[in-house]
Amino acid sequence: SVLTQSPGTLSLSPGETATLSCRASQSISSSYLAWYQQKPGQAPRLLIYGASTRATGIPDRFSGSGSGTDFTLTINRLEPEDFAVYYCEQYGSSLLTFGGGTRLEIK
Amino acid sequence: QLQLQQSGPGLVKPSQTLSLTCAISGGRVSSNSATWTWIRQSPSRGLEWLGWTYYRAKWDNDYAVSVKGRITITPDTSRNQFSLHLTSVTPEDTAVYYCARTMSVPVPWGRNYYYYIDVWGTGTTVTVSS
Repeated sequence: SVLTQSPGTLSLSPGETATLSCRASQSISSSYLAWYQQKPGQAPRLLIYGASTRATGIPDRFSGSGSGTDFTLTINRLEPEDFAVYYCEQYGSSLLTFGGGTRLEIK
Repeated sequence: QLQLQQSGPGLVKPSQTLSLTCAISGGRVSSNSATWTWIRQSPSRGLEWLGWTYYRAKWDNDYAVSVKGRITITPDTSRNQFSLHLTSVTPEDTAVYYCARTMSVPVPWGRNYYYYIDVWGTGTTVTVSS
């Protein structure tokens, strides 16, 4: 299954709400969908697993939703430290697949 | 708190073997709920899962089709670490290589499992060049 993320780049201001999309080419179990944040020079960091469960220490302004083929990461009240690249990832058929990423930049 | 410490050369010659090691602290390589994973990242290929090794009554592996036949991921229980070996490298194998722990955790209300990467190494930049 291929994961397609949109938009490629999202330009917003602090305080605004970001909505990031991840679409799978085939229906997947929600329990297999995760979201990560990556900042320059760092490894990705787990934000959301099971499509909607926040990882330990992740602020509640991050939320995930969706099922089947369409999943969304929403970031409310953007903080300066939220501007980064976001990836969705899925487990399936004994392997992992990543989306191409959405770059969230400061407008 | 589990941590992963990567080691290995940053420069590999074409046709040679890329070898990286990931030392585990704060956890066991023989854990029944973890899979020990290698991922790479490059501008051209993005984040690419390469494969993993895991213990579920016995050791097993899965590998990405893109590197199958060239890749081996092996655990070392005596040193509590795991390693990546990628043979016959070309410049296309130039990337940042990450080791990671992928967790498989039962969903509380069903028969399914969560799969997610909860711990990453810091990454090793590997350049394939003569």
